[in-house]
Amino acid sequence: GAVVSQHPSWVICKSGTSVKIECRSLDFQATTMFWYRQFPKQSLMLMATSNEGSKATYEQGVEKDKFLINHASLTLSTLTVTSAHPEDSSFYICSARDSRGLNYEQYFGPGTRLTVT
Amino acid sequence: QKEVEQNSGPLSVPEGAIASLNCTYSDRGSQSFFWYRQYSGKSPELIMFIYSNGDKEDGRFTAQLNKASQYVSLLIRDSQPSDSATYLCAVNLGPTSYDKVIFGPGTSLSVIP
Repeated sequence: GAVVSQHPSWVICKSGTSVKIECRSLDFQATTMFWYRQFPKQSLMLMATSNEGSKATYEQGVEKDKFLINHASLTLSTLTVTSAHPEDSSFYICSARDSRGLNYEQYFGPGTRLTVT
Repeated sequence: QKEVEQNSGPLSVPEGAIASLNCTYSDRGSQSFFWYRQYSGKSPELIMFIYSNGDKEDGRFTAQLNKASQYVSLLIRDSQPSDSATYLCAVNLGPTSYDKVIFGPGTSLSVIP
């Protein structure tokens, strides 16, 4: 149980284009999902918290107009990187919090490696 | 600023030895604590969680929690080369912080055959 999928696993796009990344909880419902970014040899950086049916909460320094998050259902959240630039190239990882979990454990998706050329 | 701290390592142990990973946190309201393992180029994988003071064992892994000292540790017995990874400590700050989970920077573990 507690499987989270992400799609695509990797993507290469040209500067100025937009990229959408999907995060799905496959065998549980997730009222809360999280989006992280990780640069090489650095720790996870929380970008935003996504709650089903409401607006995402962004961490300080993360541009909400550039990183659009939609949490349309209890099993799906999407992150759209708009007008991508080379500095947006990173490993983007989502996680989902199991609504049944009493300890608020998060389960991570496999990640999406974004390269902007 | 609520923080989670870990020694960055690398921590090197010989195969078969016990690896001890440590984590401290700043927020006394923290409710539950997690250890994740992350292999290079992969996403984190949940190993264990603990919420009560004391020890919790799962196979070769033992998590230890001391809330008075704001300290949580992970022991890996009979370490194997496949345990070589970065270990992330994560802390749930509790309902007063909307149950936000913050991660430490991770400790890199290398198990030498």
